[in-house]
Amino acid sequence: QQQVKQSPQSLIVQKGGISIINCAYENTAFDYFPWYQQFPGKGPALLIAIRPDVSEKKEGRFTISFNKSAKQFSLHIMDSQPGDSATYFCAAVVTSGSRLTFGEGTQLTVNP
Amino acid sequence: DSGVTQTPKHLITATGQRVTLRCSPRSGDLSVYWYQQSLDQGLQFLIQYYNGEERAKGNILERFSAQQFPDLHSELNLSSLELGDSALYFCASSVTVYSGNTIYFGEGSWLTVV
Repeated sequence: QQQVKQSPQSLIVQKGGISIINCAYENTAFDYFPWYQQFPGKGPALLIAIRPDVSEKKEGRFTISFNKSAKQFSLHIMDSQPGDSATYFCAAVVTSGSRLTFGEGTQLTVNP
Repeated sequence: DSGVTQTPKHLITATGQRVTLRCSPRSGDLSVYWYQQSLDQGLQFLIQYYNGEERAKGNILERFSAQQFPDLHSELNLSSLELGDSALYFCASSVTVYSGNTIYFGEGSWLTVV
């Protein structure tokens, strides 16, 4: 059972544009929501994360928006750069547990 | 560089064979996780060890097994391999047993079963 749904599957934006990736979860026990960035040939790397007691978290050009009532969260990449081209995964976890549940991934391409 | 080391990086083997994937966690990390990444299943949690003990088990097949040794390195054993086992296998590590803390992923081991 896929507990975290991610969209879109792929995304193409122009340099300087805003990239938006959305995720929805089912399990209300999840209490930590990280986003991972994966470049070809590399493992996923933690990009930014949020806990459900806040509605937004910003780190540089990356912002997570969180809607607890809708059980949705999204990643916004402002001023997207070609170097941001990668696959992005949202994830969710019950912090008292051990496993990350990942979304299906979004392949982002930022054209110069 | 995440500090998590996986070997081999690439592996091609035949159906029915057995392979062992090796992982060295980051220095000081006691928890090791194994994940499988495939096109149709995405990133799936397989198993977690903490300080030598199995901590959690996910979608790991009975043909697969893992262990964590006293020096904290871990091995994932895949046996009776099938074509569908072809995937990228990631090892990850974290300081504590709880994955709410930062988990660091290795670069993965590409397994191709022919």
